[in-house]
Amino acid sequence: EAGVAQSPRYKIIEKRQSVAFWCNPISGHATLYWYQQILGQGPKLLIQFQNNGVVDDSQLPKDRFSAERLKGVDSTLKIQPAKLEDSAVYLCASTLLGGFSYNEQFFGPGTRLTVL
Amino acid sequence: GQNIDQPTEMTATEGAIVQINCTYQTSGFNGLFWYQQHAGEAPTFLSYNVLDGLEEKGRFSSFLSRSKGYSYLLLKELQMKDSASYLCAVRRQAGNMLTFGGGTRLMVKP
Repeated sequence: EAGVAQSPRYKIIEKRQSVAFWCNPISGHATLYWYQQILGQGPKLLIQFQNNGVVDDSQLPKDRFSAERLKGVDSTLKIQPAKLEDSAVYLCASTLLGGFSYNEQFFGPGTRLTVL
Repeated sequence: GQNIDQPTEMTATEGAIVQINCTYQTSGFNGLFWYQQHAGEAPTFLSYNVLDGLEEKGRFSSFLSRSKGYSYLLLKELQMKDSASYLCAVRRQAGNMLTFGGGTRLMVKP
């Protein structure tokens, strides 16, 4: 079974530039998550999708971050414009279902963003 | 809100046993997960507890006390490859969203 795919793996941009990350979850997984992991910290949830609908985006800085999952499969996360403090690893994860059942989240390899 | 605390760093010797503690405060508890994360890699699932007690899986065991807001991950017969960060994560009652602690970086020495 193929895992969660993410691209690019690394990205270096200057502040105020825009950047986009792509995630392809495990086939059949309805729920998709984007996390931000700053060096030395645990992952912080940015947004959760159930199919193509947003379940929770309460921690997404909506003035600069946006995410979509138009067809309920792939997802993109965009930052526009980037700030120095956005330097982090952006992790995508997926699970088969959301809700109350036991659900292990499978993580992709992440995109390491450096903002100069 | 949620608050999850775990030690920042721990050091242990190859072949020994180490216990990594996690305390949490949350409204609406629906399970606690432990993940392992090697440097530069994605987190990988280790264990899940939703009821009080000990869950054993090979060299790794995880314990939960919901009344105390406390969990620990126990690693036995430590190997050098166990050097990694160990993340404690709590799931809220609604949905499948996880809140992670800061992680404990474990260094295993010969």
